[in-house]
Amino acid sequence: AQRVTQPEKLLSVFKGAPVELKCNYSYSGSPELFWYVQYSRQRLQLLLRHISRESIKGFTADLNKGETSFHLKKPFAQEEDSAMYYCALSHSGNTPLVFGKGTRLSVIA
Amino acid sequence: KAGVTQTPRYLIKTRGQQVTLSCSPISGHRSVSWYQQTPGQGLQFLFEYFSETQRNKGNFPGRFSGRQFSNSRSEMNVSTLELGDSALYLCASSLSGRAGEQYFGPGTRLTVT
Repeated sequence: AQRVTQPEKLLSVFKGAPVELKCNYSYSGSPELFWYVQYSRQRLQLLLRHISRESIKGFTADLNKGETSFHLKKPFAQEEDSAMYYCALSHSGNTPLVFGKGTRLSVIA
Repeated sequence: KAGVTQTPRYLIKTRGQQVTLSCSPISGHRSVSWYQQTPGQGLQFLFEYFSETQRNKGNFPGRFSGRQFSNSRSEMNVSTLELGDSALYLCASSLSGRAGEQYFGPGTRLTVT
């Protein structure tokens, strides 16, 4: 069965500190992995996807198939990074998305 | 271009009633997916419609149904409401159903009393 696990419900870091939001998945095939973000009073939106191997707003995520992980990282947290972050996977990049339960990131000034 | 819209934004219903939620996708988008978001279960996929046909279905009881019209607008219906149906219902649209190309709406907050 497909499953996405985000072990931390809440992560608090100080501004300027490194951030790592953990995501582990279980899937028998080759999934596509995504990170979605929801800022306060805004819609859920795509942050980045593993196939793009890009950095968005300073965030990066590397797919580790051996450890079945897709952790989200940023070297220096900013206050505007405070939001709810969801890790998600899909089969071959198609709907549906399977979401983790999310991690709330709080960046403290 | 206008984003995904959902109506109504808030809804209060009584147990046993039925409810219909509406989703208008971004112009040109043919795929509409629905998700249920609850504190306990998180975001769970309900179903996806593409060109008026249900293409994928999640693991929800038959009380949850949906449809899509020729203009790509979609509705979902929940019959015989239960307290556990209280949730935020999100819809997302995309051109073809690619997961990374979905745009989410603001959601409809359903409260069942």
